[in-house]
Amino acid sequence: DAEITQSPRHKITETGRQVTLACHQTWNHNNMFWYRQDLGHGLRLIHYSYGVHDTNKGEVSDGYSVSRSNTEDLPLTLESAASSQTSVYFCASRSNLAGANTGELFFGEGSRLTVL
Amino acid sequence: GQNIDQPTEMTATEGAIVQINCTYQTSGFNGLFWYQQHAGEAPTFLSYNVLDGLEEKGRFSSFLSRSKGYSYLLLKELQMKDSASYLCAVSGWGKLQFGAGTQVVVTP
Repeated sequence: DAEITQSPRHKITETGRQVTLACHQTWNHNNMFWYRQDLGHGLRLIHYSYGVHDTNKGEVSDGYSVSRSNTEDLPLTLESAASSQTSVYFCASRSNLAGANTGELFFGEGSRLTVL
Repeated sequence: GQNIDQPTEMTATEGAIVQINCTYQTSGFNGLFWYQQHAGEAPTFLSYNVLDGLEEKGRFSSFLSRSKGYSYLLLKELQMKDSASYLCAVSGWGKLQFGAGTQVVVTP
């Protein structure tokens, strides 16, 4: 069955370290998204991509970067981790068949990151 | 941009009905989604409205009024497993923006 997977599921790191969260989907979806979820804020969009070599900033993109070298993967990198980036991170993908503005998001299981 | 508001928490009794309201202001609108999220899990899709009116899917129904910037999710015959966070999300400009979520607590 097609799926979307994230790794690692749990990560503890230190302030200033570089961290990369992986996201891999096997649906061949063009559209992929990274969100962070914090208490009281819901899901906030970090970065998104509509296809290979396309990346766009979301509402909370500072301190994060993504790259899209193939359809299946959208890794999220924290260049220099900060305590404010302690959060649960969700990757999601959406089919391009229904158009860019419709179609449900399919979420990965989340990655819990703690920055000490 | 988009501004999405929904209540923080609601409590209801098993077997009862609960209505979760969502209001939004947006510069671009292509539909409204409702997701359910149990603690420690990923959100899962419940419903999608793009036209005004009511969409019914089993015990769950969702309503949309585009002119009022308003939607609600109706949960009928509540079960203990319905205790979860319910997220309202507006689709526009190719992406989804989420509200902060409404925690529904179902009591025996």
